[in-house]
Amino acid sequence: RKEVEQDPGPFNVPEGATVAFNCTYSNSASQSFFWYRQDCRKEPKLLMSVYSSGNEDGRFTAQLNRASQYISLLIRDSKLSDSATYLCVQIGGSQGNLIFGKGTKLSVKP
Amino acid sequence: DAGVIQSPRHEVTEMGQEVTLRCKPISGHNSLFWYRQTMMRGLELLIYFNNNVPIDDSGMPEDRFSAKMPNASFSTLKIQPSEPRDSAVYFCASTLGKELFFGSGTQLSVL
Repeated sequence: RKEVEQDPGPFNVPEGATVAFNCTYSNSASQSFFWYRQDCRKEPKLLMSVYSSGNEDGRFTAQLNRASQYISLLIRDSKLSDSATYLCVQIGGSQGNLIFGKGTKLSVKP
Repeated sequence: DAGVIQSPRHEVTEMGQEVTLRCKPISGHNSLFWYRQTMMRGLELLIYFNNNVPIDDSGMPEDRFSAKMPNASFSTLKIQPSEPRDSAVYFCASTLGKELFFGSGTQLSVL
C-alpha cells in the first residue's frame, strides 16, 4: 500500500463552488502534513501546512483526522486560478523525508 | 534569492548515453532532495542529502543512477546508461526547515 493516497480526479467544478479533497496516509507516526499546489508544467509549491487543530488561510481550510488517518483540503468560492493539481505531503520515515501523494487534479470552469 | 536552480531545463538523449542533471540549492539550505515525476507514478523521492551527506537513497531505482553532493551549493544526478523508461521530469528541492522549495525541473527524454 502506497504511503500517501489521493483520488486523482479530475474534479471539474464551476466557479464559486466549494470543493474538498481527502488524502489518506499509512504512517500513523507521522507528525507533519502539508498541501502543495502544482500548476501544469511547473514545480510544486507549498500551499499550506496542516495542523492538528485545523487551519484556515482565506478560502482554503486544511484539517487532519488522526483517528482515521486522513487529511483534507477545502476550497470555498473556487476561482479559475485554483485550477491545478493538489499534492498531499507527509513527513515520514525515520529520517524525515517528505512523501508526496500523486495529486488530485482540479479544474474550475467559468 | 534566485531559488533552486536546475540545469538543463530539457534534455533529449539516446538510449545508452550518460545523462547528468545539475542542481544548485538555495544558499543556506541544509537539505537537498532529488525527485522524479511521471504521470503513472507521481513524485517519487530518489535520494536526499543532509549537510551534503546522503541520508536515504532507497528510492534510487538501480545502479544506473548515482547522486553526489560535493559541497553545499551543488549536486548532480547521473544516469549511466540511460534507458527510455528513465524519461520523466526530475526535480531538485532544498529546505532549511519544513517548506520544500523546488527547482523548475529537468524534462528528460530518452529515445
